[in-house]
Amino acid sequence: AQSVTQLGSHVSVSEGALVLLRCNYSSSVPPYLFWYVQYPNQGLQLLLKYTTGATLVKGINGFEAEFKKSETSFHLTKPSAHMSDAAEYFCAVTGGIYNQGGKLIFGQGTELSVKP
Amino acid sequence: SQTIHQWPATLVQPVGSPLSLECTVEGTSNPNLYWYRQAAGRGLQLLFYSVGIGQISSEVPQNLSASRPQDRQFILSSKKLLLSDSGFYLCAWSADGYSGNTIYFGEGSWLTVV
Repeated sequence: AQSVTQLGSHVSVSEGALVLLRCNYSSSVPPYLFWYVQYPNQGLQLLLKYTTGATLVKGINGFEAEFKKSETSFHLTKPSAHMSDAAEYFCAVTGGIYNQGGKLIFGQGTELSVKP
Repeated sequence: SQTIHQWPATLVQPVGSPLSLECTVEGTSNPNLYWYRQAAGRGLQLLFYSVGIGQISSEVPQNLSASRPQDRQFILSSKKLLLSDSGFYLCAWSADGYSGNTIYFGEGSWLTVV
């Protein structure tokens, strides 16, 4: 079984500051990991994903995440926050190649606020 | 390119009334299809997924059902809505059952049961 824990339901940063959103996962099989962003009253958009290969993954809008197996983490970072980054961010996991149907297990989400 | 359409966008229904949310995907064939629910202040919960026509898997027991009458059509239904059915419903698709495939989401449907 898989699960995801996102530390901090709300994160506030100043414009230009580092963004760090934390995600820890639990999986009994090698995981595939995803970060999605949701703007108000909209669906989810994929930011980046890790399946295999390089553990540092770069995504859209300047975001990146690093898969750390020893820490069971997949934290999302962006060097400099922009006002347009204000949204809700979801970390998700699947059970890798063992997951039938490609189902995602989501964390509870982290709402990112960006102060001018 | 592939697109996903979901409707209606918002819905206010009385308790005990029926529900039908519809989702269609264009530009691909034999997709995996999903219904997720996002309750207020909570994460997303997978309700149903389908790997083919007429093949529906339910992830949680509840007052809802799903059907896939055509390859790219996925319908979420209820015969009698409960207050607890309120939430934001998201339809999604992926190319197949490979877990590394991106899952693409529709714009969502807001359901308020009153």
